[in-house]
Amino acid sequence: DAMVIQNPRYQVTQFGKPVTLSCSQTLNHNVMYWYQQKSSQAPKLLFHYYDKDFNNEADTPDNFQSRRPNTSFCFLDIRSPGLGDAAMYLCATRTSGSYGYTFGSGTRLTVV
Amino acid sequence: GESVGLHLPTLSVQEGDNSIINCAYSNSASDYFIWYKQESGKGPQFIIDIRSNMDKRQGQRVTVLLNKTVKHLSLQIAATQPGDSAVYFCAENKRGAQKLVFGQGTRLTINP
Repeated sequence: DAMVIQNPRYQVTQFGKPVTLSCSQTLNHNVMYWYQQKSSQAPKLLFHYYDKDFNNEADTPDNFQSRRPNTSFCFLDIRSPGLGDAAMYLCATRTSGSYGYTFGSGTRLTVV
Repeated sequence: GESVGLHLPTLSVQEGDNSIINCAYSNSASDYFIWYKQESGKGPQFIIDIRSNMDKRQGQRVTVLLNKTVKHLSLQIAATQPGDSAVYFCAENKRGAQKLVFGQGTRLTINP
């Protein structure tokens, strides 16, 4: 089945040690999103790619970066994770011009 | 900034009863609204959506009502079941912005 896959499901990283989360999709959607969801809070958009164009949210810290090497893959890089970056990170995709968003199952990041 | 919010953070209902989850939004330019269900440790699961040119939409056991006059959105779940226990988020798609903004979330608990 076409879907959005996030790996790993659970990630533990050390304080200050760079970490990369990945998202892949078989839907051929041209828009990909990264959301951060902290405990008991709503998902908060960090940035999104419209094709190859990167769109950062104004309040996303510089510590968060993203790469999209091709249509299928998108990565979230956290350069120096802090304790406050512990959260669920959700990837979502969409085809421009449509309203159908598809979410992955998320990666739960723990910072120790 | 403008956001989508919810009136009640928690809601408990008896199994078999109907439940209503409410959402207030402030961006009159939003043209599409989605209700998501999120179970613990999982990504948001699409429940039902509605476009701004509609007032009501029905699915299987769920109905979404949109009142643009007072910028209010509600999700009605009929004959609730234990499997309906989850956090429910409303989300709005801002016309032209190509991104989904989530509301605060309501935790629905179904009592046996």
